Amino acid sequence: QQPVQSPQAVILREGEDAVINCSSSKALYSVHWYRQKHGEAPVFLMILLKGGEQKGHDKISASFNEKKQQSSLYLTASQLSYSGTYFCGTEFGHSGAGSYQLTFGKGTKLSVIP
Amino acid sequence: EAGVAQSPRYKIIEKRQSVAFWCNPISGHATLYWYQQILGQGPKLLIQFQNNGVVDDSQLPKDRFSAERLKGVDSTLKIQPAKLEDSAVYLCASSPAPRNGGYTFGSGTRLTVV
Repeated sequence: QQPVQSPQAVILREGEDAVINCSSSKALYSVHWYRQKHGEAPVFLMILLKGGEQKGHDKISASFNEKKQQSSLYLTASQLSYSGTYFCGTEFGHSGAGSYQLTFGKGTKLSVIP
Repeated sequence: EAGVAQSPRYKIIEKRQSVAFWCNPISGHATLYWYQQILGQGPKLLIQFQNNGVVDDSQLPKDRFSAERLKGVDSTLKIQPAKLEDSAVYLCASSPAPRNGGYTFGSGTRLTVV
């Protein structure tokens, strides 16, 4: 089951903040976040495991709300280099069929302008 | 550390022709994935290998797609015969098993079927 991402696209000026959401109708084991620039491979940003932890990577952080089966990616003080499409990937379990397998959302296109 | 290698980078074929893509994962990564990414969408899993065995190929159109991972290292994905709707970027990714982080993706092969 494909996770739902919102918004589909967002345009920011340098220095502004953004939030990208990822939600699932099925109980999650983990959520991954990736960024893909045009014509390039997706690059891993971070993984969040069930337990509601929050992680940070420079000025990009994320949270995982296990009760809502939702993760949010926070980009603060955006830079031009943050432009790209952000994908969340959801994982439902670590045993049985589908183990270690990510299902990706449709992506959120982020454009940062000067 | 060398990344995930894929070739060719681009391929243009006519419908009903056959094509093959090659992937060499990061050394020591037991798990290998092939994803199909249609323009404007998130990656969709086609097949997952662990070492040289297939873990999941439930979304692989087996009437035309095949994949193998001989000796548990590099892998080949083949399409025969190709259809117009197979036009997409084919991404290979690898991860250690058990996975304790994200996937590492290759740069992909952009296939155009005309």
